[in-house]
Amino acid sequence: GESVGLHLPTLSVQEGDNSIINCAYSNSASDYFIWYKQESGKGPQFIIDIRSNMDKRQGQRVTVLLNKTVKHLSLQIAATQPGDSAVYFCAENSRMDSSYKLIFGSGTRLLVRP
Amino acid sequence: GAGVSQSPSNKVTEKGKDVELRCDPISGHTALYWYRQSLGQGLEFLIYFQGNSAPDKSGLPSDRFSAERTGGSVSTLTIQRTQQEDSAVYLCASSLDGPRSPLHFGNGTRLTVT
Repeated sequence: GESVGLHLPTLSVQEGDNSIINCAYSNSASDYFIWYKQESGKGPQFIIDIRSNMDKRQGQRVTVLLNKTVKHLSLQIAATQPGDSAVYFCAENSRMDSSYKLIFGSGTRLLVRP
Repeated sequence: GAGVSQSPSNKVTEKGKDVELRCDPISGHTALYWYRQSLGQGLEFLIYFQGNSAPDKSGLPSDRFSAERTGGSVSTLTIQRTQQEDSAVYLCASSLDGPRSPLHFGNGTRLTVT
């Protein structure tokens, strides 16, 4: 079936460096994508979203890039901080049967080295 | 409160017992979702409410699982005759108007079936 997956299950970066977390999606009809951050013991926290009519969107220290040609989504975190250590999920709004559903990938753990 | 509230935060139950999990969405959010997250895994969709109706129940794992939403607000997820494989974190989320707007998650209920 349609799915969202991640290339790297764990990413380790040096504090202050930039981080890039990648995500591949398989449903070319998906039109809305979201990145979430999940810290231990907490629910996923919304970071940034992007609609399919855009290819780039920037937030505070974060940028999401969408490449519809290759069905690829990435999250860039500038000047990574220890507080950025968490699991990051991408999610796609995918049409299934007669309704839309937000489908989550399996997650990438980001570890920030001091 | 400002966010999605779930109760209880932790629940330990014996195999075969019924459990009821509660979710209070963000005020004014018309859409409400239940997801399940097993240890170290991604999010598994269970059910989606728009108002009080559930247009998508496709993720409920078995007929032991049911959910309702009343008054367009509070939702309860009920698991009957719990099994050990039901042990997971059950996450509730709400969004302003459906899967094309960001989901805001609660911190979940950690269910342990002994």
